[in-house]
Amino acid sequence: QQPVQSPQAVILREGEDAVINCSSSKALYSVHWYRQKHGEAPVFLMILLKGGEQKGHEKISASFNEKKQQSSLYLTASQLSYSGTYFCGTEDSNYQLIWGAGTKLIIKP
Amino acid sequence: GAGVSQSPRYKVAKRGQDVALRCDPISGHVSLFWYQQALGQGPEFLTYFQNEAQLDKSGLPSDRFFAERPEGSVSTLKIQRTQQEDSAVYLCASSSSGAGYSNQPQHFGDGTRLSIL
Repeated sequence: QQPVQSPQAVILREGEDAVINCSSSKALYSVHWYRQKHGEAPVFLMILLKGGEQKGHEKISASFNEKKQQSSLYLTASQLSYSGTYFCGTEDSNYQLIWGAGTKLIIKP
Repeated sequence: GAGVSQSPRYKVAKRGQDVALRCDPISGHVSLFWYQQALGQGPEFLTYFQNEAQLDKSGLPSDRFFAERPEGSVSTLKIQRTQQEDSAVYLCASSSSGAGYSNQPQHFGDGTRLSIL
């Protein structure tokens, strides 16, 4: 079952923070986060494995609450390069990721 | 390059024609995935290979869709008797993760944009 991402879209000024949420109705083994720019391949950001860990990548970090079957992606002091559509992929069984519908992030100067 | 390569980048076909889309994964990657991505949506799973074995084809929308990876490297997705609803971007991804849970990322190609007229 497809994970639900929220919000569907967000518009920020450069330097502002954003949070993107991903929730599933199933128990999860991992959550993968990707960013896709228009006409380009999705680019890997991070994987969170069950265990409630939090990871960071530059000014982008994420958390995974396996009990709530939720993950959140945090973008701090957003830059213009952060614009794009963010997808979470959830894994509830071997190897297969189910992708959310995406959150479109627009950063304005 | 060292990334996933897909060809052609764009494909226009008339309804009823057959098309073949190619994916060249990262060398040594065991797992290969095909996805279909509609405009404004996330990728939808089509099929999965572990080496040359097609372990899951549950996402293929009809028997007009066929995928192969005969030598465990390059993969081809074939669509027979194309229909307008087949128009989409077809993404290929590879991963060094084998069977079991994914602790390695999937690396995506740029995709093939298929338009059926």
